[in-house]
Amino acid sequence: DAKTTQPPSMDCAEGRAANLPCNHSTISGNEYVYWYRQIHSQGPQYIIHGLKNNETNEMASLIITEDRKSSTLILPHATLRDTAVYYCIVWINTGKLIFGQGTTLQVKP
Amino acid sequence: NAGVTQTPKFRVLKTGQSMTLLCAQDMNHEYMYWYRQDPGMGLRLIHYSVGEGTTAKGEVPDGYNVSRLKKQNFLLGLESAAPSQTSVYFCASSYSGRRDYGYTFGSGTRLTVV
Repeated sequence: DAKTTQPPSMDCAEGRAANLPCNHSTISGNEYVYWYRQIHSQGPQYIIHGLKNNETNEMASLIITEDRKSSTLILPHATLRDTAVYYCIVWINTGKLIFGQGTTLQVKP
Repeated sequence: NAGVTQTPKFRVLKTGQSMTLLCAQDMNHEYMYWYRQDPGMGLRLIHYSVGEGTTAKGEVPDGYNVSRLKKQNFLLGLESAAPSQTSVYFCASSYSGRRDYGYTFGSGTRLTVV
């Protein structure tokens, strides 16, 4: 499975868009990009995933570059409740979802 | 629909004691997983199962055993607990072969070995 690189921490002002980057330069053609978040000590929560095209759901948008070597998770209007650790993962559902260190997003009032 | 349920939620063990953590899911998921998370770190995969009666090793399997006798349950056993196994343990499940669906995680078991 491809490894990912994320900045260890980011800040965002409440109400503004939060853009979380992820590099996955060794991603293979059949690997999907998944994003999860973990709020405080709770279990991780699925956010969104994609293969090639940009994706949007009620929680976030996912922008994947044309060469698929990087992606950006966008929280359009961040709230204090979005403060969490965000994990970017590449995966082909082989049964081994491997988490990296993630990005700690701090949303500030 | 309870999702993924972990029992117990908290436990304190003495070094050398044994215990079993139970993970139960009611979503008919084929895949189930056990992760551990240490302070300030990401999740590390211990063992996983791709179906009833199957198990496989993850990143950090030493000191743990697992069993998947029923599709809905995945048990994690510590035969002789060590302080290094103090951690938060998360169970997760997913559909097999479904890339349009992520994992569902339980709320965690906080284990302290003294």
